[in-house]
Amino acid sequence: AQSVTQPDIHITVSEGASLELRCNYSYGATPYLFWYVQSPGQGLQLLLKYFSGDTLVQGIKGFEAEFKRSQSSFNLRKPSVHWSDAAEYLCAVGRGSGGYQKVTFGIGTKLQVIP
Amino acid sequence: DAGVIQSPRHEVTEMGQEVTLRCKPISGHDYLFWYRQTMMRGLELLIYFNNNVPIDDSGMPEDRFSAKMPNASFSTLKIQPSEPRDSAVYFCASSPTGGEGYGYTFGSGTRLTVV
Repeated sequence: AQSVTQPDIHITVSEGASLELRCNYSYGATPYLFWYVQSPGQGLQLLLKYFSGDTLVQGIKGFEAEFKRSQSSFNLRKPSVHWSDAAEYLCAVGRGSGGYQKVTFGIGTKLQVIP
Repeated sequence: DAGVIQSPRHEVTEMGQEVTLRCKPISGHDYLFWYRQTMMRGLELLIYFNNNVPIDDSGMPEDRFSAKMPNASFSTLKIQPSEPRDSAVYFCASSPTGGEGYGYTFGSGTRLTVV
């Protein structure tokens, strides 16, 4: 069965600093990978996704993520964090090809941004 | 598009009472998912529908939970009788496919508190 590990439950960064959120997955084949952001009291918004091709994917709000098969990782990065980026970030992995993708979510990483 | 609409946003009920959560997916999306989010277990898939038909309800915790989708624009998740351990945020999400290539669009969630 597929699984997702987000080793950091909580991260604090200063505004303007760079950010990297870790995500490791377990899946036997090429996975479908996603990053979602959840603001307090809100639903989840898709930041970016990877299915195939270029292993560095660009998303919304200046985020990017890099798929590294050898490390089973899909880390999320941003070069300069803004206070509005404070939120919960969830990594997810989907399996299957075509049709329904069963998506499993990580537990999430809560990002705090300090002035 | 108004996005995925869930109601109510908050629900407080007494143990033993029936609770009904509602969801209106995005028009044209043929997949609908119900998730539950808790601090301990993160985001868990309860059930999903394809073209109004329940496909996989293996995540439904027990018989007290039931879900219906009478038409393409409306779904309900019912808990009867409710218990304090059901307290969580319940999300509805929809997708034009099984998630491949699109990811899911989530509603803002219903925060359920059972006292």
